[in-house]
Amino acid sequence: AQKVTQAQTEISVVEKEDVTLDCVYETRDTTYYLFWYKQPPSGELVFLIRRNSFDEQNEISGRYSWNFQKSTSSFNFTITASQVVDSAVYFCALSEAFEGGGSNYKLTFGKGTLLTVNP
Amino acid sequence: DAGVIQSPRHEVTEMGQEVTLRCKPISGHNSLFWYRQTMMRGLELLIYFNNNVPIDDSGMPEDRFSAKMPNASFSTLKIQPSEPRDSAVYFCASSRQGWTEAFFGQGTRLTVV
Repeated sequence: AQKVTQAQTEISVVEKEDVTLDCVYETRDTTYYLFWYKQPPSGELVFLIRRNSFDEQNEISGRYSWNFQKSTSSFNFTITASQVVDSAVYFCALSEAFEGGGSNYKLTFGKGTLLTVNP
Repeated sequence: DAGVIQSPRHEVTEMGQEVTLRCKPISGHNSLFWYRQTMMRGLELLIYFNNNVPIDDSGMPEDRFSAKMPNASFSTLKIQPSEPRDSAVYFCASSRQGWTEAFFGQGTRLTVV
């Protein structure tokens, strides 16, 4: 079963529109971590945010906001007033413990959502 | 501070040749990951090291792939012999602990012809 599902393969919006990227995850662990990464056309992977499973407080950081809901196993990401520079592939990721426990965690990525912001 | 450093950035090689990709993690990080990114399969975890010890190599495609981490500041991913289907971008990432955010290198774009 897919651990991290990003159902939206591609999204295209016009500049200044708000856009929400969906992420649904699956885990049996009670302690886990969720991440969003951005991959611009230049190819590097840029860390955006980390949330642990005990922290459902939603966060706003400038034009970015995140909505974490354990009840629906979702960790959605919203960009307000999108800009052309936001065009990138956005990855949601889940970090959960390897079998056997300890402090070893495995980071699994979704397939990514390609966001295109048109002028 | 320097980020994760990968070399080379680009590699073009002929089928059957040995390829070695290199990674220098961020100083003080004790977890290191090798990922492969392709259009078809997305980002796949190949192998994970913690304190220089391989913890999980279940993602390594086959015996042609091997990875080492001889010390805390260096890791290699070797493909021998390489095949065209190995063409991909290979990322190395490091983190302070396995559950914290991983920081990625710029990647190595490998093309096997």
